[in-house]
Amino acid sequence: EVQLVESGGGVVQPGGSLRLSCAASGFNFGSYAMHWVRQAPGKGLQWLSLISGDGDNIRYADSVKGRFTVSRDNGESSLFLDLNSLTGDDTAFYYCAKVARGDYDYFDQWGQGTQVTVSS
Amino acid sequence: SYVLTQPPSVAVAPGETARITCGGNRIAYMNVHWYQQKPGQAPRLLIYYDGGRPSGIPGRFSGSNSGNTATVTISRVEVGDEADYYCQVWDSSSHHMVFGPGTKVTVL
Repeated sequence: EVQLVESGGGVVQPGGSLRLSCAASGFNFGSYAMHWVRQAPGKGLQWLSLISGDGDNIRYADSVKGRFTVSRDNGESSLFLDLNSLTGDDTAFYYCAKVARGDYDYFDQWGQGTQVTVSS
Repeated sequence: SYVLTQPPSVAVAPGETARITCGGNRIAYMNVHWYQQKPGQAPRLLIYYDGGRPSGIPGRFSGSNSGNTATVTISRVEVGDEADYYCQVWDSSSHHMVFGPGTKVTVL
């Protein structure tokens, strides 16, 4: 069974940093691109970033480029998102998602998400 | 970057048909995917490549894509279909994944 489990969320002060993790199981992790998506309270889904299976193709949404960094450890079947220079606008539920095929395909599996709250 | 539009809400009586639209410039030339998100849950794949249906999704859900509008149709709506529905495309121009703003389906 494919499983994605996010962790690392919490309360952080404005300007602070956080590292989110996504532990994957049930599939050959290194063969699939992964994405991060977030959802602010009461709002819709916002795509953040993608990383290809081999880590060579990385993309970011304009709103987080330069502040967020995506990475992966295929040996540990783990995906990461480093969040820096956080503001209140970054308060959201953060989801990792597995692509069905290629780097830009639909998401056939989502994690349950981890909550990030930016507040003083 | 590419912009998708969706009606904020759709209300439908049980047993009737609900249609949720997703508008975008020449969207027919893009692969459109749909997700369903129930309160307190993560999104789940509903429709892929305009009209494909993953295993576990009832046949009451169908999708189409033509011109500037993609549509997901829910036939014989049930109370359990109450959820937010999001369309998604990959914008190859900006190299960004794009989600529509979402449509809340309410079963009267």
